[in-house]
Order: sequence, then structure tokens, then C-alpha cells
Amino acid sequence: DARVTQTPRHKVTEMGQEVTMRCQPILGHNTVFWYRQTMMQGLELLAYFRNRAPLDDSGMPKDRFSAEMPDATLATLKIQPSEPRDSAVYFCASGLPVSSTEAFFGQGTRLTVV
Amino acid sequence: GENVEQHPSTLSVQEGDSAVIKCTYSDSASNYFPWYKQELGKGPQLIIDIRSNVGEKKDQRIAVTLNKTAKHFSLHITETQPEDSAVYFCAASKGDSNYQLIWGAGTKLIIKP
Repeated sequence: DARVTQTPRHKVTEMGQEVTMRCQPILGHNTVFWYRQTMMQGLELLAYFRNRAPLDDSGMPKDRFSAEMPDATLATLKIQPSEPRDSAVYFCASGLPVSSTEAFFGQGTRLTVV
Repeated sequence: GENVEQHPSTLSVQEGDSAVIKCTYSDSASNYFPWYKQELGKGPQLIIDIRSNVGEKKDQRIAVTLNKTAKHFSLHITETQPEDSAVYFCAASKGDSNYQLIWGAGTKLIIKP
């Protein structure tokens, strides 16, 4: 059963700490998205990768957020330093843009910054 | 800027009845319109999508209609079942982008037994 795997599922951290969220895209998918979901803003695209290269990270606060794909099986989203306003659910999604525009979402990481 | 408005924010229907969720978009260049279903504690899942060269698409109990002139599209669910209870999101492509979507705010659908 192919699925996007995100870790951790839940994270509570203190303000100022570094947070790293990990994502394993579906094997063979060559696009990866990072989304943030909050009640106030809804779903926001933070970053988009194709073939491990970042094509669009315009939605990401550059001063504290960074996204990378060290290899085809791992995508990471880091926040340093974290702030209470970063509290949200962060979703990773993967897809195959040539054959479909569908994005397959993981179950998300619920981040709480206190 | 571009936006997608989704109505209603909450919809409660009796099991077996139909549900309709409506979205309007502002970017006339949008050409791809997906609908995602999000169950509690899970990520959104694509349930149906439509492209601008098609006016209607149906998949079993789910259908989507698109009116490009009026810039609105709708999701229709017939014979609703308890498992249809979820939050539904519409989205529109940003121009002809194949990855950048503008999302609606979501509709919480409640199916009453």
C-alpha cells in the first residue's frame, strides 16, 4: 500500500528550538510538496520540489524555514528558531506531474510551539 | 490576488440526501479544478477533478460541474452515507500551473443518520 510517510506525527517544542519534520514520498514519485494548514489560513503551499530540486519556495518564510531533499526518499522541513505562530499541521505530499496532477498527502505533523 | 471562495462552510444533510458544495474562482487562466476530501486526523485525498475543457465529470455518487464563463464549479454528492462526513476542499490551478493550487477554505459536511 503506497503512501507518503511523515514523522513525527506530533511535536511539542519550546519557542526558539529547532524543529525537523521528515517525509518519505511514494516510491517513484518525483514531485514533493510541503503544505501548512491552520484554521485561519487554510492550506498554504510552502515549497515544491521536482526531481529533488526546489522549484518554488516562495510561500516559505526564508529567515527561519528551510526545505531540502537529501535524496529521492527523504524530504525535510526545518524551522529554526521556532515560534508560537508556527503551530500548525504540516503536510507533505508527493506526485507525478507528467501522468497526473494529483498530490498524495501524508498524514501530517501536528506542531505545537509553546 | 487570485482567490477561491467556497460555500457553505458547514453543510448538514440527512443520510441518503444529496449535498452540493460550490466554489468560485477569480483567475480566468485557471484550467484545473480538483476536489479533496479530508477526514479527521488525515491528509487531504483527491476525490475528483475536472479540467477546463470539460463541463461535467462523474464518478459513481460524486460529480463535478464547471461553468467557465461564470467561473464557478460545484461538487455534487448523491445518496450520502455516513462515511461521506469530512471536510471538502475545492482548489483551482494558479493559471495553467501544474502544481500551484489556490485552495478554498473548506466545507465541513455532516451526514445525519
